[in-house]
Amino acid sequence: DAKTTQPNSMESNEEEPVHLPCNHSTISGTDYIHWYRQLPSQGPEYVIHGLTSNVNNRMASLAIAEDRKSSTLILHRATLRDAAVYYCIEMNYGGSQGNLIFGKGTKLSVKP
Amino acid sequence: KAGVTQTPRYLIKTRGQQVTLSCSPISGHRSVSWYQQTPGQGLQFLFEYFSETQRNKGNFPGRFSGRQFSNSRSEMNVSTLELGDSALYLCASSSTSGRYNEQFFGPGTRLTVL
Repeated sequence: DAKTTQPNSMESNEEEPVHLPCNHSTISGTDYIHWYRQLPSQGPEYVIHGLTSNVNNRMASLAIAEDRKSSTLILHRATLRDAAVYYCIEMNYGGSQGNLIFGKGTKLSVKP
Repeated sequence: KAGVTQTPRYLIKTRGQQVTLSCSPISGHRSVSWYQQTPGQGLQFLFEYFSETQRNKGNFPGRFSGRQFSNSRSEMNVSTLELGDSALYLCASSSTSGRYNEQFFGPGTRLTVL
């Protein structure tokens, strides 16, 4: 079962920042936080991942709480193309499990 | 670089039949994972192959099987199809065992069982 909890849905206006929260209160020290998103009628695509420090890439930023029990995916300027289901996933690098365990995710709607 | 390709994209079968789905990973990727996506259960991990060996397996019945070839291409097979097997089957590849690198997903094969 997925170990993360996310809101079912969120709405945003185009060109405004979006903060997508994720709780992972049972995360262990070796677990990374990965974010994927799935656009309509497509397979999931990788967004970003991190362990302890905040991370930035061309798609988004990931802010990880100091106690690592929660994180926030930040889309700096939402576009209509960012409307998707966003999945927050714990990935254990210490064992043999390299698979992604998806939860229900957050469905993000972007209004023009 | 070409992305992950899956064939066929759409498939209709009847109960009791078997089906084979194919996945070609990104060139150079040695890990291939399979996922099932349904409206009710969401995305669920089926199994992962790395260098022709099954490394991980999800909680699916033995009717679901897979294999990986020396060129990293992978196939999954579902025997004795049931109505509940109707789903989008997604394949993902990564350069290592999937633990350390991002996984790249294909567009999926939409299987309908009648």
